[in-house]
Parts: sequence; C-alpha cells; structure tokens
Amino acid sequence: AQTVTQSQPEMSVQEAETVTLSCTYDTSESDYYLFWYKQPPSRQMILVIRQEAYKQQNATENRFSVNFQKAAKSFSLKISDSQLGDAAMYFCAYRGQGGSEKLVFGKGTKLTVNP
Amino acid sequence: NAGVTQTPKFRVLKTGQSMTLLCAQDMNHEYMYWYRQDPGMGLRLIHYSVGEGTTAKGEVPDGYNVSRLKKQNFLLGLESAAPSQTSVYFCASSYPGRFDYGYTFGSGTRLTVV
Repeated sequence: AQTVTQSQPEMSVQEAETVTLSCTYDTSESDYYLFWYKQPPSRQMILVIRQEAYKQQNATENRFSVNFQKAAKSFSLKISDSQLGDAAMYFCAYRGQGGSEKLVFGKGTKLTVNP
Repeated sequence: NAGVTQTPKFRVLKTGQSMTLLCAQDMNHEYMYWYRQDPGMGLRLIHYSVGEGTTAKGEVPDGYNVSRLKKQNFLLGLESAAPSQTSVYFCASSYPGRFDYGYTFGSGTRLTVV
C-alpha cells in the first residue's frame, strides 16, 4: 500500500519570504500523480499543484513550485513571496492509476504566515 | 454551480443515534469517496464507489455503511454513533482515468457525537 509522509506538522514563514514544505512517499508503481492541496480555515480543499511522475520537469503554478525527486520519492512544495492568504493546512497526496484511483494523503503541515 | 454538495454541514448526535450524510454531484463522475479528517491524521478513506450500485471499504470503514443507488448520490450512514466518530467528513468525486485532476471535494460536514 502506498504511504505519504509529511514530517513537518507546523511551519512558519515571514510575509514575502520563501518556505518549503516536505513530503515523501512510498510506492512500487512506476506511474502516478502527486498533488498538494491547501485547506484554509473555511475547510475547503483547494488543489494547489500536481505533478505527473513520468515528467521530469518540476511543475509550477505562479508562486508555487515543486521539487520532484522520483528516485528519492520526494515531493516538496516551495511557496515564494509568501502572502497572508497562504496560511492554511497543506496536504500532500498520492494517486495511482489502477483500481479506484484513491487519493492517499499525508497528515498535513500547518503553515503560519507572519506579517 | 457544478460541484459536490454535502448535507448537512454541521450536526450534533448523541451516542447511539443514527444518521445519514448525503453527498450529491452533478458532474456525471463515476467515482465517489468518503473521507474523514481528524487533527494530526490527515484525510483517511472510509468507503468509496467506482460506479452506481458498487461500494468498497477504504482504510477506516468500521462503524459506517454506504450506498450508491444513483450515480449522482453517495450516502454515508452511521448506525450507532460513537464519540470516536466525531470528525469532519468529506465527500469527493472524480472521473475514472482523469486522475491527473485529483478530486472535486465537497465543503465537509462537521459531526460531533456527545
């Protein structure tokens, strides 16, 4: 079974600075997708960024980018120019291609942005 | 707006009571999922369905039952609620094979069992 590990329960960053959230995963599959979700206090799950495992190029979405290291099974999220609105829980998630295509989540990292 | 709708949004139950959470989606998605979210535990899969009339157990299915009688609806039932089932419950849906887009999530149901 696939597992996803987020080793940082909490992180903090100063407004306008850069922060990196860590995620590692375990799988025997060769093709899969990885995601970062943001959950603000409103509880809504918001997709931040996704990465296809067969693509070597790291995904970017505006101020959000990932460092995907397939051999190391590592998938970190970098937030540049942090804003107060980035404060939230962030979840790393894995999705394989077979069967029910279930999403497997890490336990989350709570990000605080200090003004 | 198209999406996933969960009802109710909040509920307080007494131990031993039963209730049903409703999830409805209007995107014609085949796959539907129920997760629970607890502090420090992330989201854990309770049950899921890959099509109308089919259901399967996830990671933490004990104490819950589900039904998918219609493609657009996925019901989560608690027959005899326990304090350990106090949690936030999320429903989600997706197309098969469109795993690149992750899920569409509902806004969650906060359930408290006293």
